[in-house]
Amino acid sequence: EAQVTQNPRYLITVTGKKLTVTCSQNMNHEYMSWYRQDPGLGLRQIYYSMNVEVTDKGDVPEGYKVSRKEKRNFPLILESPSPNQTSLYFCASSLGQVSYEQYFGPGTRLTVT
Amino acid sequence: SQQGEEDPQALSIQEGENATMNCSYKTSINNLQWYRQNSGRGLVHLILIRSNEREKHSGRLRVTLDTSKKSSSLLITASRAADTASYFCATDAWNFNKFYFGSGTKLNVKP
Repeated sequence: EAQVTQNPRYLITVTGKKLTVTCSQNMNHEYMSWYRQDPGLGLRQIYYSMNVEVTDKGDVPEGYKVSRKEKRNFPLILESPSPNQTSLYFCASSLGQVSYEQYFGPGTRLTVT
Repeated sequence: SQQGEEDPQALSIQEGENATMNCSYKTSINNLQWYRQNSGRGLVHLILIRSNEREKHSGRLRVTLDTSKKSSSLLITASRAADTASYFCATDAWNFNKFYFGSGTKLNVKP
């Protein structure tokens, strides 16, 4: 089944404790992206990747890192999480960046205390 | 800054009625997409309309695009309770590698 998976689905952590949220897709998609969703603000793009080893900042990249060493995986790293990073995070992938629909993962609800 | 803004923020209708939601954006685009989200779950793609298209249909969905007004509308005809969800428009904007989502319209269809 074609899908985007994220782990973990729920995470509660403390300020400053490094964490990684994994994202994997099995559709051989070139474009992958991370979003955060906050009430009243919709989805905001954090980082995106057009292909292996090619990543770039979205609208809200501060406090996040990503890597794309393999086509299928696109982990999101929070080196020193802070409470303002409490949010619902979505990973998405698509065939290409411009004219293709994005397939979304189920989301990761992160709480930083 | 947000590229897309949906209107209204919330909409409540009876089953069988039509639902219309609007999206406005700020800069030139290649295409505009509409997505649906059920209560905190992942978004699901509904329809894509290119900048050189004016109208597109998919089942009970009808999307229009007016590039001169930088706006789009999504019409859901003969709504069902299962259509209850949040609807988002998304654009690729001037930087064709980025995607911008609006803040969404929350639709409630009462049975």
